[in-house]
Amino acid sequence: KAGVTQTPRYLIKTRGQQVTLSCSPISGHRSVSWYQQTPGQGLQFLFEYFSETQRNKGNFPGRFSGRQFSNSRSEMNVSTLELGDSALYLCASRGRTGPNYGYTFGSGTRLTVV
Amino acid sequence: KNEVEQSPQNLTAQEGEFITINCSYSVGISALHWLQQHPGGGIVSLFMLSSGKKKHGRLIATINIQEKHSSLHITASHPRDSAVYICAVRSEKDSNYQLIWGAGTKLIIKP
Repeated sequence: KAGVTQTPRYLIKTRGQQVTLSCSPISGHRSVSWYQQTPGQGLQFLFEYFSETQRNKGNFPGRFSGRQFSNSRSEMNVSTLELGDSALYLCASRGRTGPNYGYTFGSGTRLTVV
Repeated sequence: KNEVEQSPQNLTAQEGEFITINCSYSVGISALHWLQQHPGGGIVSLFMLSSGKKKHGRLIATINIQEKHSSLHITASHPRDSAVYICAVRSEKDSNYQLIWGAGTKLIIKP
C-alpha cells in the first residue's frame, strides 16, 4: 500500500509570506502528526490530528496551524513566515491509537525562507 | 537535562564492524521507538519496544525497563547503514501518546 505522501518536497518562500503543506496518510490511518526538524533542535512536535480533530499541540506560536479533512489528509499552514521557520517538516501517520503501534513517516517538505 | 539522551552523537566505523547505539531516558514510558533517517530526510520506523528484545535482519534492539536504557545494534555493518538513528519514547503519563525525541546518532560506515 502507498506510504505517507507529503507535498511539495521543496519550497522556497520569502519572509512574511504564508505557506501550506500537505500530508496524505496511509490509507486507513486516521492519525496524522506533524514535526519540524532543524539542525540545532532535532525533531519538534507541532500537532496531531485524529478524525479531523486536533488532539494535541506542541509549543509553537499561533502562526502554525493545521487541519485534517474527512479523508484523513492533513494540511499545515504557517503564516507570516520568518527565517527561523526554514526546516524540514515531517508528517507521520499511525493506524491505531494506543501505545504499541508505530509511525510511518513521509519524506518531508523542505521549506526555505529567504 | 534532556529526557532522552543518545550516545554517541557521532559514530564512524569500518564496514563489517558491530555497531551499538545507546538511548537512556528519565521518564516512565509505555513504548520506545528506534527510527532511521537517511540524508534527504526520509524517516523509517525500525522498532517499537516495550520490553525485551527485537530482531530484524542485521538490526537488534533491546530495552531494559528497570535501567531506563535501550540499545540498537547493527551486525556486519554496511555503508548503506549510514544514517541518523533516532530514539523516541512515549511517556506513560501522556494519554495522547506523544513522543519525546532523542537528538539522534549520526552513523557513518566506511567501505
